[in-house]
Amino acid sequence: EIQLVESGGGLVQPGGSLRLSCAVSGFSLSNTYMSWVRHRPGKGLEWLSVISDGEDTYSADSIKGRFTISRDTSKDTVYLQMDSLRFDDTGVYYCARTPGRKLHWFDPWGQGTLVTVSS
Amino acid sequence: DIQMTQFPSSLSASVGDRVTITCRASRPITGFLNWYQQKPGKAPKLLIYAASSLQGGVPSRFSGSGSGTDFTLTISSLQPEDFATYYCQQSYSTLWTFGQGTKVEI
Repeated sequence: EIQLVESGGGLVQPGGSLRLSCAVSGFSLSNTYMSWVRHRPGKGLEWLSVISDGEDTYSADSIKGRFTISRDTSKDTVYLQMDSLRFDDTGVYYCARTPGRKLHWFDPWGQGTLVTVSS
Repeated sequence: DIQMTQFPSSLSASVGDRVTITCRASRPITGFLNWYQQKPGKAPKLLIYAASSLQGGVPSRFSGSGSGTDFTLTISSLQPEDFATYYCQQSYSTLWTFGQGTKVEI
């Protein structure tokens, strides 16, 4: 059974940092893409970043230079390092397996981890 | 970036109704379009990928169509568990984007 479990969310002050983790089971990170998507209060879903099976990475302009995606295949874990956090980074952060070749989709998703940026 | 516009942003419907949600891309994306359902407090769930392919385990009352810039998600007979927010998402360009969502309410 495929499972994704996020952790690492919490309360952080503006300008601070957090590292989110996404532990996966039931498949290998070496064979698939993985993404981070967030849902901010009152807004829709927003794709943030993806890491390919070959460790290429792409990120949305809104987080470029502040957030970094990475993975550790030995730990079956994907990370999102979030620096220079702002109030409007508050939201629920999801990791999602991102299968496909030219066309990609998000399935399944983890349960999400809440990030609150507040002073 | 490719902008995705959904309409309507919300709709009211009754059990048994046929519901159609539209998603328009700011430029052609061939069939690189996916649909998700999200219920409050829950993670999104993939319904349709590649514009018209039904994800395994998703009821057949859900269907998708379209190509180029215009796409639709149809629920043939709305069920109580279908009241949720629906999002389209393009993966044509490297920077993937979602529509703003359509909330289906009673």
